[in-house]
Amino acid sequence: EIVMTQSPATLSVSPGERATLSCRASQSVSSNLAWYQQKPGQAPRLLIYGASTRATGIPVRFSGSGSGTEFTLTISSLQSEDFAVYYCQQYNNWPPEWTFGQGTKVEIK
Amino acid sequence: EVQLVQSGAEVKKPGESLKISCKGSGYSFTSYWIGWVRQMPGKGLEWMGLIYLGDSDTRYSPSFQGQVTISADKSISTAYLQWSSLKASDTGMYYCARRSSYDSAIGHWGQGTLVTVSS
Repeated sequence: EIVMTQSPATLSVSPGERATLSCRASQSVSSNLAWYQQKPGQAPRLLIYGASTRATGIPVRFSGSGSGTEFTLTISSLQSEDFAVYYCQQYNNWPPEWTFGQGTKVEIK
Repeated sequence: EVQLVQSGAEVKKPGESLKISCKGSGYSFTSYWIGWVRQMPGKGLEWMGLIYLGDSDTRYSPSFQGQVTISADKSISTAYLQWSSLKASDTGMYYCARRSSYDSAIGHWGQGTLVTVSS
């Protein structure tokens, strides 16, 4: 079973600043890595898939990088609507399985 | 438009059984896997299992194997998550989800079903 580990658990950032979130896989997931944003009371929303491709409608300030076991989500200039919890997820195609990281909460500094 | 519509909130007692549903529309239901994801109060997302609607091939997370049953009725485009004997620790929000049309990442989520188990 692949384990996904996110760091830090909480990130305190001022609006306009850059945020860098990390995700590590216990074994290679190639580029089968996604990032999701979740706000209170809402279902998660897909931000990044294939480790680095923005989903439809996602602002350019969100970017993803990495492959294999080390991945990064960068928010270049935090806006008020970006304060939320972010999850990474590996999605193995075969056998099909999903694994989520434990989440990083991005809060206002 | 792809939609996943889940059944409503449930309040149950420990030991009771429960089956919640997820109805898909706007796409070919039998062409995709549907997954179930648990979110306990104030906690993160946990993958529970996946079912392929074409042939009902089902895969479970080791953490949930034997604890729940995932099934589907393709004639009504609906997937199910079922418990035979609920525990208080089953309290949480349960989401169904489907990959996007262009990648295997989750592009579509149901609205969630809140399950509360309390005596």
